Amino acid sequence: EDQVTQSPEALRLQEGESSSLNCSYTVSGLRGLFWYRQDPGKGPEFLFTLYSAGEEKEKERLKATLTKKESFLHITAPKPEDSATYLCAVQPWVDSNYQLIWGAGTKLIIKP
Amino acid sequence: GAGVSQSPRYKVAKRGQDVALRCDPISGHVSLFWYQQALGQGPEFLTYFQNEAQLDKSGLPSDRFFAERPEGSVSTLKIQRTQQEDSAVYLCATSTGPEQFFGPGTRLTVL
Repeated sequence: EDQVTQSPEALRLQEGESSSLNCSYTVSGLRGLFWYRQDPGKGPEFLFTLYSAGEEKEKERLKATLTKKESFLHITAPKPEDSATYLCAVQPWVDSNYQLIWGAGTKLIIKP
Repeated sequence: GAGVSQSPRYKVAKRGQDVALRCDPISGHVSLFWYQQALGQGPEFLTYFQNEAQLDKSGLPSDRFFAERPEGSVSTLKIQRTQQEDSAVYLCATSTGPEQFFGPGTRLTVL
């Protein structure tokens, strides 16, 4: 069964304190792995897509990496505005269907 | 419009009432998805359209849930005889490729 597990459930950091969020997955065939950010009361906002092991993507203070079993979202010198829930999702290889299977998210709180 | 819009943003229904939730996609986006998100959880897939064709409805939790997209643009998710367990945020997402773009969601509360 295709499954996504994110850890930790919640993470509190001081402003400027770098850390990583983990997304472990099992899927029969991976079409893509996605990272989204979700603020309270809003829909998920797209951050990155990763397609193959070894791939890395960066955007401002965020960097996403991918292996055959997990992905990491590294956050460098975070600011309070980076506080949000970060969601990971996988897209299995299924003909004519592009549904995403989601983890429960990591709630990130950055204290000034 | 610039993004996916959903209406209403909030809906309170009495148990047993029917509700209809609307999604206006980004213009030209062929694929449209509905997800259900419980508090503190990730979204869960409900159904998928490609243009007006509903290609997958395997995630709909019961036959009280029905979705349509008759002209391949606006979509409506209908829930009949609402139950308390239907309380959740309902998210619509659209895409032209792998990345999906989400609306703000409709928060449904069933009393």
